[in-house]
Amino acid sequence: QKEVEQNSGPLSVPEGAIASLNCTYSDRGSQSFFWYRQYSGKSPELIMFIYSNGDKEDGRFTAQLNKASQYVSLLIRDSQPSDSATYLCAVVRAAGNKLTFGGGTRVLVKP
Amino acid sequence: DGGITQSPKYLFRKEGQNVTLSCEQNLNHDAMYWYRQDPGQGLRLIYYSQIVNDFQKGDIAEGYSVSREKKESFPLTVTSAQKNPTAFYLCASSFTGGTTISTDTQYFGPGTRLTVL
Repeated sequence: QKEVEQNSGPLSVPEGAIASLNCTYSDRGSQSFFWYRQYSGKSPELIMFIYSNGDKEDGRFTAQLNKASQYVSLLIRDSQPSDSATYLCAVVRAAGNKLTFGGGTRVLVKP
Repeated sequence: DGGITQSPKYLFRKEGQNVTLSCEQNLNHDAMYWYRQDPGQGLRLIYYSQIVNDFQKGDIAEGYSVSREKKESFPLTVTSAQKNPTAFYLCASSFTGGTTISTDTQYFGPGTRLTVL
């Protein structure tokens, strides 16, 4: 079992709809969770992080964490063609520890 | 203008050759990291360093070497022992030792694309 798992996609979403991305992790002791966006040929850029159970909103993005079920999700509201990218989930088991990345979910937003 | 720089952007290596990828940051971050990304895959950790003159192997360190002589710099050498080095190499940095989660946040440089001829 991989430490961090994501559906590779592609997730095809009509413009204006909500894109829902999921990420599961195996280490129950994981403490912090990150979502990065990566455009083709570019480096990852941070979208947001979350460490408490529940929802965290930042603009059109909402991260949801459920530690009991060991999953973290990312919702993208009002999806735009510019949101077409690969979204990487990353997990840290303890503060100051290294990140473990999932394989990424490719999202395609169609006009 | 703070950030992380990597050079070169593109690098071509001949069989049996060692090459060095540069990574510099002026964010005053303590920790620096090297990742490798193959097409359609996530990032895999090669080496990381949390303090000057100290570094640890990541998940795929074989065939690579690093040094950390200055806080700002963390060069990666891809040696001839690395049999399949063609990949996208990413350098990242973060603070360490903090008590808040935000200090774990890693920020990435623009990457170096290495191709073996």
